[in-house]
Amino acid sequence: EAQVTQNPRYLITVTGKKLTVTCSQNMNHEYMSWYRQDPGLGLRQIYYSMNVEVTDKGDVPEGYKVSRKEKRNFPLILESPSPNQTSLYFCASSLSGDVLYEQYFGPGTRLTVT
Amino acid sequence: LAKTTQPISMDSYEGQEVNITCSHNNIATNDYITWYQQFPSQGPRFIIQGYKTKVTNEVASLFIPADRKSSTLSLPRVSLSDTAVYYCLVGGTSGTYKYIFGTGTRLKVLA
Repeated sequence: EAQVTQNPRYLITVTGKKLTVTCSQNMNHEYMSWYRQDPGLGLRQIYYSMNVEVTDKGDVPEGYKVSRKEKRNFPLILESPSPNQTSLYFCASSLSGDVLYEQYFGPGTRLTVT
Repeated sequence: LAKTTQPISMDSYEGQEVNITCSHNNIATNDYITWYQQFPSQGPRFIIQGYKTKVTNEVASLFIPADRKSSTLSLPRVSLSDTAVYYCLVGGTSGTYKYIFGTGTRLKVLA
């Protein structure tokens, strides 16, 4: 089944404790992206990747890191999480970054930073 | 990507047709209009895309006037399961690969 998977689905952590949220797709997509969703602010893009070893900032990249060493994986790293990073995170992938190609979203990761 | 403006929320009753309008005054010549649907606790999913005039699929219709400064997503005979947030995106086929989903339109379908 074609899908985007994220792990963990739920995470509660404390301020400053490094964490990684994994994202994997099995559709051989070149484009992958991370979003965060907050009440009243909608869906905002954190980082995206056009292909292996090619990443770029979205609208809200501060406090996050990403890497794309393999085509299928695009982990989101929070080196020192803070409470304002409490949010619902979505990973997405598409064949290409062009808007013509639909993005497939993962199920989301709900992160709480205390 | 061009900036879009949508109503924050709408209510409708089951069986009615729902039209959600998106304003995009600064749309560029090579921009397409894409709509995504997001159910509670799920990621968004693509529902329809168009460039001009009218596009229809099994889920919705998309109406785009000649000046392309707005577009209307039409959901025929909605049911309770159509309760979701609907996002309008406007963007081209080359150049920036950033996506701006905005806050979307929260549609609530009532029994």
